[in-house]
Amino acid sequence: DSGVTQTPKHLITATGQRVTLRCSPRSGDLSVYWYQQSLDQGLQFLIQYYNGEERAKGNILERFSAQQFPDLHSELNLSSLELGDSALYFCASSVWQGETGANVLTFGAGSRLTVL
Amino acid sequence: GEDVEQSLFLSVREGDSSVINCTYTDSSSTYLYWYKQEPGAGLQLLTYIFSNMDMKQDQRLTVLLNKKDKHLSLRIADTQTGDSAIYFCAEHNNAGNMLTFGGGTRLMVKP
Repeated sequence: DSGVTQTPKHLITATGQRVTLRCSPRSGDLSVYWYQQSLDQGLQFLIQYYNGEERAKGNILERFSAQQFPDLHSELNLSSLELGDSALYFCASSVWQGETGANVLTFGAGSRLTVL
Repeated sequence: GEDVEQSLFLSVREGDSSVINCTYTDSSSTYLYWYKQEPGAGLQLLTYIFSNMDMKQDQRLTVLLNKKDKHLSLRIADTQTGDSAIYFCAEHNNAGNMLTFGGGTRLMVKP
């Protein structure tokens, strides 16, 4: 158990639907990252939050949004789902606060989304 | 821009050494990481190296960094069947907050 909890583990839904993926970071970690892992795209960075505020944005589609709540848990919302959105979605957390030093990300087990 | 590349697949026999290679393009990378992903699991940090180091050893793992060529390698000594997994290298620079990952190398260890 890495200490990063993601729910649900598996989710099957239809095209056009909306889903919410949830992440609880490791205790003490203020930064939360979302990554998408698909067979053809590898591991793609989507978005990062630090202490409730968006810090960095990657290849996140406009149909996707995220937020980090005061208790530091984060949610990734995926809407108007398409077949190509089927992937593993990982949440990771870290203590890194932008200072020099290694940024060690701790990953959750992922949420596998299947869009039919 | 940032781009991290790895070969897709490596097959070795149990007891041999494995060497997984990675190239990156961002010369401002300050730290480089190796992660391991077992089937059905998330990524697990194996080790990382600061960019001013050439080598780091941690038990069976040896990381070599050639900063001039932007080449990183992970050597696993005495490879075991339990080492079968996908290995990702990643880079991080102080200009960004996130890690940029390579596509992963699938290591298969044959008994």
